[in-house]
Amino acid sequence: EPEVTQTPSHQVTQMGQEVILRCVPISNHLYFYWYRQILGQKVEFLVSFYNNEISEKSEIFDDQFSVERPDGSNFTLKIRSTKLEDSAMYFCATHLQGASYEQYFGPGTRLTVT
Amino acid sequence: GDSVTQMEGPVTLSEEAFLTINCTYTATGYPSLFWYVQYPGEGLQLLLKATKADDKGSNKGFEATYRKETTSFHLEKGSVQVSDSAVYFCALSGYQGAQKLVFGQGTRLTINP
Repeated sequence: EPEVTQTPSHQVTQMGQEVILRCVPISNHLYFYWYRQILGQKVEFLVSFYNNEISEKSEIFDDQFSVERPDGSNFTLKIRSTKLEDSAMYFCATHLQGASYEQYFGPGTRLTVT
Repeated sequence: GDSVTQMEGPVTLSEEAFLTINCTYTATGYPSLFWYVQYPGEGLQLLLKATKADDKGSNKGFEATYRKETTSFHLEKGSVQVSDSAVYFCALSGYQGAQKLVFGQGTRLTINP
């Protein structure tokens, strides 16, 4: 069964450093999302991406965050200057256009900012 | 804005007990409703869904009915197993195009043998 993959599974970085989290969506999916889950808290929406542009973003997704699909397959989330409060599990999710709107989630990347 | 409220956890039950996890929502329009499950160390998996009022989603013995009049989508299972131990998230999304999921806070379920 096709699945969403994410790399790395765990990233440790120092405050102020840039990180790039990568996602490989299911091949025929057209809508892409990033969510995050701070330890012990709810899953929060960050951004949605369709047709090579952001369709919606949350207040969490400030100027320090960016997304792109650099090569038509990978979908990346970049944090330019990490803060301690960026420590969380980051999930990529994708779905088909016009389907049942079931979002398929990747296994997540645990980001630890020290 | 849209929101989802789940019953407080954690919930601990014995094997073969009946399970109910309450979920209520606030949303404009006609959202789709979902239950996702997160097993230890894993990502989120869709458990079941319902896209319109009175629909019942079901999977692996779990059921939930979309109740528009009470804005609820409670998760039920008649006889839980140890393998059902996980965190359960209720969520909603809009009905067209790129629509974010709005999640409840999650309910940790532990089933004891």
